[in-house]
Amino acid sequence: DAGVTQTPRHEVAEKGQTIILKCEPVSGHNDLFWYRQTKIQGLELLSYFRSKSLMEDGGAFKDRFKAEMLNSSFSTLKIQPTEPKDSAVYLCASSLGTGKNTLYFGAGTRLSVL
Amino acid sequence: GDSVTQTEGLVTLTEGLPVKLNCTYQTAYSDVAFFWYVQHLNEAPKLLLRSSTDNKRTEHQGFHATLHKSSSSFHLQKSSVQLSDSALYFCALSGHNTNTGKLTFGDGTVLTVKP
Repeated sequence: DAGVTQTPRHEVAEKGQTIILKCEPVSGHNDLFWYRQTKIQGLELLSYFRSKSLMEDGGAFKDRFKAEMLNSSFSTLKIQPTEPKDSAVYLCASSLGTGKNTLYFGAGTRLSVL
Repeated sequence: GDSVTQTEGLVTLTEGLPVKLNCTYQTAYSDVAFFWYVQHLNEAPKLLLRSSTDNKRTEHQGFHATLHKSSSSFHLQKSSVQLSDSALYFCALSGHNTNTGKLTFGDGTVLTVKP
């Protein structure tokens, strides 16, 4: 079985640019999550989809972060405009959709904003 | 809401020594599940252990943990660490979110094993 696939693995952006990160969840999974990972804050939830419907959109990230799930096998996270403080690893994860199911993570996209 | 606390941010050990990474939690729900995830450098976090049964020891890859609801804990232990165990370890809880895949994560503990 293919795991969660994230592209690109690395992204370098100038301040003010728009970047789009991509995620393909595990086939058949109903839940999809976007997290931001930093050493200081740990894992922060950005967005949560269930069966393609947006269930939660992290309050602190609403203004410049927009996640979409156009179909059950593909999701994007757009950051517009980027700021240096957005430099972090962005992780996508998917799950069958019950709390006792395993959450599967992608390897992440490391974003550097100059 | 739910919360997970990992008290150690960084643990450094010599190879061959035992390790215990602490994880405690708060939740108002009784039907809960707990997870330990491990993330090696530049890799995806992966499930290490999972449990939802009180007082039952769960083991995988030499690591073990026992859920103790009486003390709200799910500590991770290993009797003899290896260099390859150097990684970031997350504890996670599924409490009131048991109808979804959403987890509450601790801040993580970086384990560094030295020769």
